[in-house]
Amino acid sequence: GAGVSQTPSNKVTEKGKYVELRCDPISGHTALYWYRQSLGQGPEFLIYFQGTGAADDSGLPNDRFFAVRPEGSVSTLKIQRTERGDSAVYLCASSPVPGAYNEQFFGPGTRLTVL
Amino acid sequence: AQSVTQPDIHITVSEGASLELRCNYSYGATPYLFWYVQSPGQGLQLLLKYFSGDTLVQGIKGFEAEFKRSQSSFNLRKPSVHWSDAAEYFCAVGAPGNQFYFGTGTSLTVIP
Repeated sequence: GAGVSQTPSNKVTEKGKYVELRCDPISGHTALYWYRQSLGQGPEFLIYFQGTGAADDSGLPNDRFFAVRPEGSVSTLKIQRTERGDSAVYLCASSPVPGAYNEQFFGPGTRLTVL
Repeated sequence: AQSVTQPDIHITVSEGASLELRCNYSYGATPYLFWYVQSPGQGLQLLLKYFSGDTLVQGIKGFEAEFKRSQSSFNLRKPSVHWSDAAEYFCAVGAPGNQFYFGTGTSLTVIP
């Protein structure tokens, strides 16, 4: 079956611009996670959705970052007034049900470059 | 606070040789531990996981890992490495609140 997909695969933008990154989770997965992976680092947790609501957004670095999942399926990560330090690979993962013991299925990521 | 340490940034092994990738965690309770592999252009793929019970767990692609509570370690092993195993390997711990904490990764190079 289809895995987690993310679009675009690459995004180049200029400092100060607004960007949206999209994640299509595996069908039926209720839990959805966003991570940020900087060069040479492991994925860093940003936000977790259970259904439509953000159950934990403690990883969002500041109020320029926002994510939604209005229908409990597709999610969009939104970054306002992008900064060069936002350049990273943004990973999305989904899980059939929430729980720290459950495998998360990862998408290939969106590489964001802020010039 | 939870954390994961992978002390080896990069490892090179010959094809057919054995492999051990180190992982140490910091966590107050019995952790949920995972190893993921990331190949270029691919998403992270789960190799194996440990929750409880037998401390030696088997995974896909011939990998295994051993949980050692006394050492706070969860090292990944493979008896004979194949060229296709070249990738980035991440250890992770799952914590209450459904967060995953990842290590910084170990890059594996396999030489013929």
